[in-house]
Amino acid sequence: DTAVSQTPKYLVTQMGNDKSIKCEQNLGHDTMYWYKQDSKKFLKIMFSYNNKELIINETVPNRFSPKSPDKAHLNLHINSLELGDSAVYFCASSNDRGRTNGYTFGSGTRLTVV
Amino acid sequence: DQQVKQNSPSLSVQEGRISILNCDYTNSMFDYFLWYKKYPAEGPTFLISISSIKDKNEDGRFTVFLNKSAKHLSLHIVPSQPGDSAVYFCAASALGNQFYFGTGTSLTVIP
Repeated sequence: DTAVSQTPKYLVTQMGNDKSIKCEQNLGHDTMYWYKQDSKKFLKIMFSYNNKELIINETVPNRFSPKSPDKAHLNLHINSLELGDSAVYFCASSNDRGRTNGYTFGSGTRLTVV
Repeated sequence: DQQVKQNSPSLSVQEGRISILNCDYTNSMFDYFLWYKKYPAEGPTFLISISSIKDKNEDGRFTVFLNKSAKHLSLHIVPSQPGDSAVYFCAASALGNQFYFGTGTSLTVIP
């Protein structure tokens, strides 16, 4: 019974394509996040949504567009994919901004752009 | 601009000994810190936290120490077990905002 689930787990696509990654949490958390882990293993925040509202939007190209249809879902759509977008993308969720029990992460989506 | 740094990319320890993982930060506004453990092909899992009002927090074999003046925290694992072999990330947050993560330290516990 997965708490934070991301699909797909692996995604290989060509440059210029548009792709989406889906994320769902069944923990009843009020905040969801997207993190990117690059080749240097650096986990960097991209977006955060609290109750369907965008609260964090770090310096991310506007080719990346998050969508939160409800507080249990936060999807990531990427337009015109570039080689540099290759990374592992992690979805996470939390209550209390993670101050009590941290974030709960999904298992990641490994995106490879060729 | 990396606000949280883990300067040791890897660490090897004999089973039964102490593992000490270190983390430094630059932002003096950080007031809450987390440690995560990550196995290959899985997401990070929460391990232990500490608030800046404390200098130590303990949970079983895991203890986190915080030195605010040095902007340094460490995670001690005693005794280390082979199942502890994983990548460990520290993370820091200021005033309820998002967490910033370090680049991780890969711990190998040798049986």
